[in-house]
Amino acid sequence: KAGVTQTPRYLIKTRGQQVTLSCSPISGHRSVSWYQQTPGQGLQFLFEYFSETQRNKGNFPGRFSGRQFSNSRSEMNVSTLELGDSALYLCASSLGDRGPGTEAFFGQGTRLTVV
Amino acid sequence: QKEVEQDPGPLSVPEGAIVSLNCTYSNSAFQYFMWYRQYSRKGPELLMYTYSSGNKEDGRFTAQVDKSSKYISLFIRDSQPSDSATYLCAMISAYSGAGSYQLTFGKGTKLSVIP
Repeated sequence: KAGVTQTPRYLIKTRGQQVTLSCSPISGHRSVSWYQQTPGQGLQFLFEYFSETQRNKGNFPGRFSGRQFSNSRSEMNVSTLELGDSALYLCASSLGDRGPGTEAFFGQGTRLTVV
Repeated sequence: QKEVEQDPGPLSVPEGAIVSLNCTYSNSAFQYFMWYRQYSRKGPELLMYTYSSGNKEDGRFTAQVDKSSKYISLFIRDSQPSDSATYLCAMISAYSGAGSYQLTFGKGTKLSVIP
């Protein structure tokens, strides 16, 4: 069974630009969650999508947005990039209709560097 | 004060040692507790999941939860060089039952097991 696929793996962008990251979940999984990982703050929850609807949202500014398509693939977008947005962005896929004991599988992440 | 505190280490132990990793938390609403392992350049993978206070064992790994002290631990027996990774604790507050939840992570402890 294929795992969670995130593209691209690495990205370098300039301040003020925008960026779109992609996540393809495990087949049959309908929930995709996005996390930002930095050395200073650790892993922080961005948002979760389930059946094309945002179901849960963390405490990030509106520059961070996402969407989910009918095939459960998800994209997240960051507009007006700031240096502090440099991070590893991880997505996790899960069935989405089970309790917290159901494992969420993480992708390898997209390493975003803002210069 | 962050909701979840975890000593970042690094922690270096000889092969075969017993490793103890710990997290404290301040939010008494946390009900579900997990431990994730993250190898370099990989996404986190779920190691252990517990709901109630007490111990849970899986092979060389034991997870311990003390809700009265707001303290959780992960013990690794007979540690191996392949256990070298960053270990992250994660927690979930009250679960609504609809399948949606967000993980609150500690910053992770970097462990090196020396042959």
